[in-house]
Amino acid sequence: AQSVSQHNHHVILSEAASLELGCNYSYGGTVNLFWYVQYPGQHLQLLLKYFSGDPLVKGIKGFEAEFIKSKFSFNLRKPSVQWSDTAEYFCAVRAGGGNKLTFGTGTQLKVEL
Amino acid sequence: DAGITQSPRYKITETGRQVTLMCHQTWSHSYMFWYRQDLGHGLRLIYYSAAADITDKGEVPDGYVVSRSKTENFPLTLESATRSQTSVYFCASSDPSGVQGEQFFGPGTRLTVL
Repeated sequence: AQSVSQHNHHVILSEAASLELGCNYSYGGTVNLFWYVQYPGQHLQLLLKYFSGDPLVKGIKGFEAEFIKSKFSFNLRKPSVQWSDTAEYFCAVRAGGGNKLTFGTGTQLKVEL
Repeated sequence: DAGITQSPRYKITETGRQVTLMCHQTWSHSYMFWYRQDLGHGLRLIYYSAAADITDKGEVPDGYVVSRSKTENFPLTLESATRSQTSVYFCASSDPSGVQGEQFFGPGTRLTVL
């Protein structure tokens, strides 16, 4: 069965700092990759997704992620974070064309003013 | 244009009681999912359904029962609640013929079992 690892459990940054959150998955076949965000007290919302083509994908609110197949990674980046980016971020994998997602354990990001 | 709704949003119950969490979606998505969210575990899949009358177990199905008599509804029942089932429960739906299987999430139900 596939698994997803998010090694940073808690990240604290100052506003305007750059962000990179790690995501690694274990599955040797075709994957679709997602980053979801959960703002405090809210439900999960899709930030961005990768299905095929350009491995650098851009999402909402200035976020981007790069799929590196050789490293089984899909790291999330943002050049300059804002206080409003404080949230929990989840990486998810859909493997082998199925409809189930496997989620990582999440990374809690706190952005300080 | 409600999308996906869950009820109740908050529930406190006692050990041994039966509890049903409701999920309703207005998109006619074929797939629906139930997850629980716990600190340190992220989201774990409890049950999912590919269509009405078709359900299957996820990663953590023990102690839960689901049904799907109508496409738009996917209730989750805890037959005899235990303290370990205290969690936040999220329902989600997706349309495999649509936006590449993206899942859309409901607002969640926070369940406390005393």
